[in-house]
Amino acid sequence: DAGVTQSPTHLIKTRGQQVTLRCSPISGHKSVSWYQQVLGQGPQFIFQYYEKEERGRGNFPDRFSARQFPNYSSELNVNALLLGDSALYLCASSQSTGDYGYTFGSGTRLTVV
Amino acid sequence: RKEVEQDPGPFNVPEGATVAFNCTYSNSASQSFFWYRQDCRKEPKLLMSVYSSGNEDGRFTAQLNRASQYISLLIRDSKLSDSATYLCVVNMRSGNTPLVFGKGTRLSVIA
Repeated sequence: DAGVTQSPTHLIKTRGQQVTLRCSPISGHKSVSWYQQVLGQGPQFIFQYYEKEERGRGNFPDRFSARQFPNYSSELNVNALLLGDSALYLCASSQSTGDYGYTFGSGTRLTVV
Repeated sequence: RKEVEQDPGPFNVPEGATVAFNCTYSNSASQSFFWYRQDCRKEPKLLMSVYSSGNEDGRFTAQLNRASQYISLLIRDSKLSDSATYLCVVNMRSGNTPLVFGKGTRLSVIA
């Protein structure tokens, strides 16, 4: 079975641009969460979706948005990129409650120049 | 007070040593607890869940003390391949909720 897949793996953008990151969860998993990890820090929660509905939102500006599709894949969009948005963006999938832990994709490394 | 706190380390230990990591969490209503391992420039991977009764997986032992809001991870007979960052992770609420990560504790096992 395929794990959590994310695309692209690496991305370089300039300030002010917009970016879309993609995630496909493990087959059968209905919940997708997005995390941002900057160097030297633990991952920070951005969004969680379950059954195509937003179930949680972290402390991120409105420049960050996301959605989940009927096949449970998800996109994370970031508008008006800032240098501080440079980070590893991780997608995690889980079964309904997440009590068994989350499985992370290998992430998208975004560099804003 | 941060939601999940860990000593960032680094912990530099010789092969074969026993090393312990500690973690505290602030929300007494937290439901689930985990240790994740993260290698340099890789994604976090679930190492083990942590239960009130304590649990062991080979050389790794995890303990949870709900009264003190404290989680620990013990690694016995350290191997070079154990070198990584260990993330303490708490699921703050029941249901479909996000995980809250500590900053991680870096471990280097030295030959």
